[in-house]
Amino acid sequence: DIQMTQSPSSLSASVGDRVTITCRASQSISNYLNWYQQRPGKAPKLLIYGASGLQRGVPSRFSGRGSGTDFTLTISSLQLEDFATYYCQQSYSIPALTFGGGTKVEFK
Amino acid sequence: EVQLVESGGDFVQPGGSLRVSCAVSGFTFSDYEMNWVRQAPGKGLEWISYISSSGITTYYADSVKGRFTISRDNAKNSLYLQMNHLRADDTAVYYCARVSRDSAKRGWLDPWGQGTLVTVSS
Repeated sequence: DIQMTQSPSSLSASVGDRVTITCRASQSISNYLNWYQQRPGKAPKLLIYGASGLQRGVPSRFSGRGSGTDFTLTISSLQLEDFATYYCQQSYSIPALTFGGGTKVEFK
Repeated sequence: EVQLVESGGDFVQPGGSLRVSCAVSGFTFSDYEMNWVRQAPGKGLEWISYISSSGITTYYADSVKGRFTISRDNAKNSLYLQMNHLRADDTAVYYCARVSRDSAKRGWLDPWGQGTLVTVSS
């Protein structure tokens, strides 16, 4: 099974900060990596697909990079509505999907 | 508008059974693969089951294999998850999610339903 490890598990930041979240796969997954945002009490929402593709309607301050085993999600200038939990997910072994443990972005 | 609406979540005793449903609208359901993903209280996301667009092929996470059954009725635009032999650690919000793919066959889950809560407790 492919394991996904996110870091950090939580972080504190302020509005306007640049935030980067890392996701590492236990084996190479090419660019079969997606990112989701989950606000409290809500369903997850797709942000980034294929490691760097920005989902329609998602603000351009969100960006994804990486290939192989190491990936990043960057928020260039954190906004109030971005305080949420972020999950990476590999689809290399689809239909068996694996999520990272999540990164909670909290207000400093 | 594409919509997925789960229902059927309830309070059930350990060892019991429950079926949750996902009604979809706004797209041609029979063209898409579907999944169930769950989230225990305060925990992360866990993929649990997949079904192909025709319903012929299914997959399960080890944690639910042999106890849960995924199915679909393309005529009714509905996805189901039959859960048997429920345990306390099955307590979670259960989400249905559609698989979208690009030309390279990479897949992702979009959109998701709002979730339905299943509580297993005596």
